[in-house]
Order: sequence, then structure tokens, then C-alpha cells
Amino acid sequence: DGGITQSPKYLFRKEGQNVTLSCEQNLNHDAMYWYRQDPGQGLRLIYYSQIVNDFQKGDIAEGYSVSREKKESFPLTVTSAQKNPTAFYLCASSIGGQQPQHFGDGTRLSIL
Amino acid sequence: GQQVMQIPQYQHVQEGEDFTTYCNSSTTLSNIQWYKQRPGGHPVFLIQLVKSGEVKKQKRLTFQFGEAKKNSSLHITATQTTDVGTYFCAGPGGNYQLIWGAGTKLIIKP
Repeated sequence: DGGITQSPKYLFRKEGQNVTLSCEQNLNHDAMYWYRQDPGQGLRLIYYSQIVNDFQKGDIAEGYSVSREKKESFPLTVTSAQKNPTAFYLCASSIGGQQPQHFGDGTRLSIL
Repeated sequence: GQQVMQIPQYQHVQEGEDFTTYCNSSTTLSNIQWYKQRPGGHPVFLIQLVKSGEVKKQKRLTFQFGEAKKNSSLHITATQTTDVGTYFCAGPGGNYQLIWGAGTKLIIKP
């Protein structure tokens, strides 16, 4: 079955620690996205990538970093510079920019 | 910048009542997409509307795209407990991304 896999499902971060969230897709989609969702809120775009080896900042990129070395993979690192990282992180992909997006199950990140 | 406004933020209904959520864009959209997010889950794509004045139905759900392609609505007839969740609209923004509405949460009164 084609889809998007995010791991881990739950993640805890200590003060001063960087953590990396994994996102893998086997849909052969060119575009991939990372969103942050706070409780009861909508989706805020962190980073997106239209093609391998290229990515752009979204609305709330500060304190986060990404890479896109393979078409299938778009990992997100939450750095220690992100002072309020507790949130639900969603990865999505689409055939191309602005096309319907398919989402992974998400990663819930909390601070220890 | 470009915005997509979605109202209401919440709607409480008795099971069997109807539900409607509205989206308004500050600019003309080439298409509008609707997603549903169940509690604790991830957004799931429902439908994309492309044509001016388009109306599409999925069982009890009716989606409309305005004549000016700046507004859209989702109407659910005779809500059921399985309809509970948050409904989001999204339209193309600049730089190949989507601009998302804030969502409307459908709550079924006990």
C-alpha cells in the first residue's frame, strides 16, 4: 500500500537537545511538507520541498531544519533553538505544489 | 498577504441536524480543497473543486465553489457521530503551497 510513514509516534525532548522526526513516502510524490498543529488550532507550514535537494521556509521555520536528499524522505529536525516545541507535527506529500496533500499519522512531541 | 477565512470556528449540533462551514478567500482561487481531521487523527483529503459555481456531492456532504471562485462551503445533511471532527478548506497560495483555513470543529451534542 502506498502512503506516508512518520516516526516515532511520540517523542520527548530534553532541554538543549535536537530531535529528528522521520517522514517517508512511497507515493512517488515530488512535493513534501511539514506542518505544526497546536491543540485546537489549524495547520502552520514549517518547511516544504518541491523537488529533491531543494526546500523553502514556511511561515514558522525558525528553530527547525530539514533536508531532502531523497525523493522519498523529508526529515525534520527540531533544534534547541525552538523554545516551545510541544505540538503535533504532520508530514504531507503531493504530486506537485498546490495539489491535494496526503498526510502521515503525525508525531506528538513533548518536552521532558 | 493572501488569506483564507473559515467560519464558524465551532458548531454544536444535535445528531440528525445539518452542519455548514464556509470559506472565503481574499483572492480568486484556481481551486479549493476540503479535508477532514478526526479527533486525534490526521487531515484526510475529501474533495477538490475547480470550476466556478461547481457543486459536488459525496453521500450526505455537499461542496460548493462560488461563482467568483473566492468562496466555498461544505454542508452535511443529517449529521451522524461519524461526522465528528474538524473540517478544513485550503486554496493555492504563492510559492506552490496551500493556504489553509483555520478549520470548523463539528461537535455532536450528547
